[in-house]
Amino acid sequence: DAGITQSPRHKVTETGTPVTLRCHQTENHRYMYWYRQDPGHGLRLIHYSYGVKDTDKGEVSDGYSVSRSKTEDFLLTLESATSSQTSVYFCAISERGRNTEAFFGQGTRLTVV
Amino acid sequence: KNEVEQSPQNLTAQEGEFITINCSYSVGISALHWLQQHPGGGIVSLFMLSSGKKKHGRLIATINIQEKHSSLHITASHPRDSAVYICAVPRDFGNEKLTFGTGTRLTIIP
Repeated sequence: DAGITQSPRHKVTETGTPVTLRCHQTENHRYMYWYRQDPGHGLRLIHYSYGVKDTDKGEVSDGYSVSRSKTEDFLLTLESATSSQTSVYFCAISERGRNTEAFFGQGTRLTVV
Repeated sequence: KNEVEQSPQNLTAQEGEFITINCSYSVGISALHWLQQHPGGGIVSLFMLSSGKKKHGRLIATINIQEKHSSLHITASHPRDSAVYICAVPRDFGNEKLTFGTGTRLTIIP
């Protein structure tokens, strides 16, 4: 199994509070991705990174920010959580981005009340 | 941007049956991914293929680039195969970002 760890695995938070999710990899892969999974939708890309300090927005980036200060860590921050951000969040990694296999973390279930 | 459609959305079958799940996409691609997600679980990569056929145990994936279509087959299905199967393709040719189908929920009854 690819070495990807997401933390926390579950979190309940109140509307308006900041939340940070962490993705840690031990594979030294260049690309890292944050997705959200909601009923009726396929996985949707929030942000991704193609190297240390190199990040770009995905299709549902509003309300989220990311940081990657080390190859192994990719942080997703909800600056002020809203109920619409209740979701399951998945981190993924791939070695070269295009045409390479993607490996996923176990997911983080976030509930905003 | 690529559009991905999977069929069927839900599939229930008896143990031992041959299973086929289909994926169609709209824009030419360099490679297609099949993923598996067990209930409450993480997502596992099953295949990445760009042409022809790949086989891993009882799972077989095929792709027809000209017709923009891929199928995932499961032979001698087993209850442990019960999961959601997800197809993913690049947003456009060579793009490192993927577009995902909504998944096919497979239930195998003993």
